[in-house]
Amino acid sequence: DADVTQTPRNRITKTGKRIMLECSQTKGHDRMYWYRQDPGLGLRLIYYSFDVKDINKGEISDGYSVSRQAQAKFSLSLESAIPNQTALYFCATSDTNSGANVLTFGAGSRLTVL
Amino acid sequence: GENVEQHPSTLSVQEGDSAVIKCTYSDSASNYFPWYKQELGKRPQLIIDIRSNVGEKKDQRIAVTLNKTAKHFSLHITETQPEDSAVYFCAARLYSSASKIIFGSGTRLSIRP
Repeated sequence: DADVTQTPRNRITKTGKRIMLECSQTKGHDRMYWYRQDPGLGLRLIYYSFDVKDINKGEISDGYSVSRQAQAKFSLSLESAIPNQTALYFCATSDTNSGANVLTFGAGSRLTVL
Repeated sequence: GENVEQHPSTLSVQEGDSAVIKCTYSDSASNYFPWYKQELGKRPQLIIDIRSNVGEKKDQRIAVTLNKTAKHFSLHITETQPEDSAVYFCAARLYSSASKIIFGSGTRLSIRP
């Protein structure tokens, strides 16, 4: 499903480096989210945004920041990456007009921090 | 606080048998409960959901039940098939935080031939 596109799909970096994961969508949805997936821990919400002027912290926002550059773009930054941020990151969208319940996920960005 | 617990973490059933996955949630204001399926190497996708004003919902071989009093909901898969092998996540949405959907830790379901 190319409606929600994440880049890069895979990234290996070193401790202390700044990393940006990007998400763009063509679904016209107003709400965007970043989740992190770790084995045995499910999907944990990092940040979410209702529109370009709205940013909210999720369950695990420490060490992360986000930017909603446009309705269609939501980027996640790790200012100084550390090994325990190694995970699979998912961007997702939902639509207020449809009740904002159904999440459409991107394909994921696998980040490894050495 | 908001918490969703999911059990079991792994489940193996014989093809054709039924599978049940259970979740509990902590916040009584939660009003929407979706289930997502994630096949190996793929993204999570919604398979069924239920709102707090409904006790049960069915869609072919899958069904979800909700017990608001006990703050408990379950996914039932009948006549399991190999393509049902995946990781399943339950989730809950807090009423006062319309966009905040919290997920359980996932159940890896394996179907034995």
